[in-house]
Amino acid sequence: ETGVTQTPRHLVMGMTNKKSLKCEQHLGHNAMYWYKQSAKKPLELMFVYNFKEQTENNSVPSRFSPECPNSSHLFLHLHTLQPEDSALYLCASSPRDLGDEKLFFGSGTQLSVL
Amino acid sequence: SQQGEEDPQALSIQEGENATMNCSYKTSINNLQWYRQNSGRGLVHLILIRSNEREKHSGRLRVTLDTSKKSSSLLITASRAADTASYFCATVISGGSYIPTFGRGTSLIVHP
Repeated sequence: ETGVTQTPRHLVMGMTNKKSLKCEQHLGHNAMYWYKQSAKKPLELMFVYNFKEQTENNSVPSRFSPECPNSSHLFLHLHTLQPEDSALYLCASSPRDLGDEKLFFGSGTQLSVL
Repeated sequence: SQQGEEDPQALSIQEGENATMNCSYKTSINNLQWYRQNSGRGLVHLILIRSNEREKHSGRLRVTLDTSKKSSSLLITASRAADTASYFCATVISGGSYIPTFGRGTSLIVHP
């Protein structure tokens, strides 16, 4: 185990549903990330939080809404998604030590939008 | 924008053979990292090499970095069926936000 836990592992939702993805890290890290992984495409950075403050928003549509209540928890709230949003959503954390930013990933949530 | 690009996209070898994957990037880096991903799972960090380093080893893994050519290679020696996975390079750009940027990955299949 990497110390980063994501739930649920699989999620199927309709385009009108509202759901949330959860990520929790037990590593004492200060930065948390959401990445999207679609088939045949590079990992896409979505959001970054450092000490609970959002520091990166990579032009993500507003139907994805992140929340970081503390340094250990990260949520991704989903609403009115499109079928092209189907992907593996990965959460990661890092110490946020400058110049040594290796990431620790969770197992991901496989999302299917019908 | 995408920074690292792995080559080849797919690699199929027999158990016991060596596997070599390459990564090319476009701008100056602070460090370069290699990750492994088993199907449908998260990525696992393998090794980090800094811009002032040329070679690092970890077990059966050997990573080289050539900053003049803006390229890196990952060598897995004496491969095993359990090495079957996708391998990604990620670059941390100099003077940037220190967030790793990933390529599309190399899919490695090791046949028993």
